[in-house]
Amino acid sequence: SQQGEEDPQALSIQEGENATMNCSYKTSINNLQWYRQNSGRGLVHLILIRSNEREKHSGRLRVTLDTSKKSSSLLITASRAADTASYFCATLLYSGAGSYQLTFGKGTKLSVIP
Amino acid sequence: NAGVTQTPKFQVLKTGQSMTLQCAQDMNHNSMYWYRQDPGMGLRLIYYSASEGTTDKGEVPNGYNVSRLNKREFSLRLESAAPSQTSVYFCASSEASTGQYFGPGTRLTVT
Repeated sequence: SQQGEEDPQALSIQEGENATMNCSYKTSINNLQWYRQNSGRGLVHLILIRSNEREKHSGRLRVTLDTSKKSSSLLITASRAADTASYFCATLLYSGAGSYQLTFGKGTKLSVIP
Repeated sequence: NAGVTQTPKFQVLKTGQSMTLQCAQDMNHNSMYWYRQDPGMGLRLIYYSASEGTTDKGEVPNGYNVSRLNKREFSLRLESAAPSQTSVYFCASSEASTGQYFGPGTRLTVT
């Protein structure tokens, strides 16, 4: 079953605006990761936030994590047409014997209109 | 440095046929994974290998087998393909709890 659920499912904004995507999950996690997928391509890792962190930045990306609410948000500032893609949150759980499993949500489809 | 490579890129099978999807990584990662992605869905884990010589089932392992041939290579086999296995398959690799690196995917259609 899918651990993370993104909201909204689809988002359309004008170039230059900010885009915010939310993710909720169900169980305790080791860390939470965000990925981007361009149409027809593999996923690209964007940013990882550990369970003891509350906020993390990388370039135009800002991720927050609230473990008490089991939720995370991804903010993309000053969006560009090239940011058009699907964005997935994924939660990492330790599954024993040195192995980890990543569980993905269904994604948010972001369209940035030039 | 090619990252994660997958072959083939596209494949069409008839119901009941078998095939092996190949995956290789050149980043010296211990962990490798196979996922499937269906339209409008996130990725679902089929099998993973935490280290050379070990493999474990993920969320949707039925109808698949895997082999961790060596540290670089992790293959996924469909013994008797079914239409429900029509999907895009992604291989990924990582070091333990860090972010995963994905291959470009294999689009499989089973008729």
